[in-house]
Amino acid sequence: GAVVSQHPSWVICKSGTSVKIECRSLDFQATTMFWYRQFPKQSLMLMATSNEGSKATYEQGVEKDKFLINHASLTLSTLTVTSAHPEDSSFYICSAGDPAGARLNEQFFGPGTRLTVL
Amino acid sequence: QKEVEQDPGPLSVPEGAIVSLNCTYSNSAFQYFMWYRQYSRKGPELLMYTYSSGNKEDGRFTAQVDKSSKYISLFIRDSQPSDSATYLCAMAKTAGNKLTFGGGTRVLVKP
Repeated sequence: GAVVSQHPSWVICKSGTSVKIECRSLDFQATTMFWYRQFPKQSLMLMATSNEGSKATYEQGVEKDKFLINHASLTLSTLTVTSAHPEDSSFYICSAGDPAGARLNEQFFGPGTRLTVL
Repeated sequence: QKEVEQDPGPLSVPEGAIVSLNCTYSNSAFQYFMWYRQYSRKGPELLMYTYSSGNKEDGRFTAQVDKSSKYISLFIRDSQPSDSATYLCAMAKTAGNKLTFGGGTRVLVKP
């Protein structure tokens, strides 16, 4: 299957700083990528849909000025957590669909990024 | 009420037993159904993908979709300790649409 990578895999930062997380599709082009947040022992919560060349679509309740998303190319989307606070500590996962793939709506997930804000 | 309901478990079974997982949903617009496996601190991995109603088998895994009952199932035969993970069901309404996940069921397969 298609491969999606994330960087970094884990990050620790001080409160008030900004953190950027990268999501890359390694062997396919992804016009759409998705960003999720997952708390311990809970399911994935969709934060936003990232569209290449246009603005991201945020889910209700997600602050777009807090979580900046940029989909600069067909293989790269970034999530920046601005002015991070301890409550932003979570596991962030991206996914991408392969529009040329045989199965519609199939999403390939990255390995996740664990963010800890002190 | 959540759109997709899934028993959180944990579901504990002995090695070699059949693991039975299911999800119910409320929105009849869902047409694409998926099962993901997620190990601790890792991203989800797609196990099964089904469009509309019916059964699908892949190795030790069997997925069933009953749209009339709004009920989907995943069966794992000859379970192994390495199958211990959280299993998430996911659904989509139309092509290219976002996925709606169940809460996940934690499965423990004991040697």
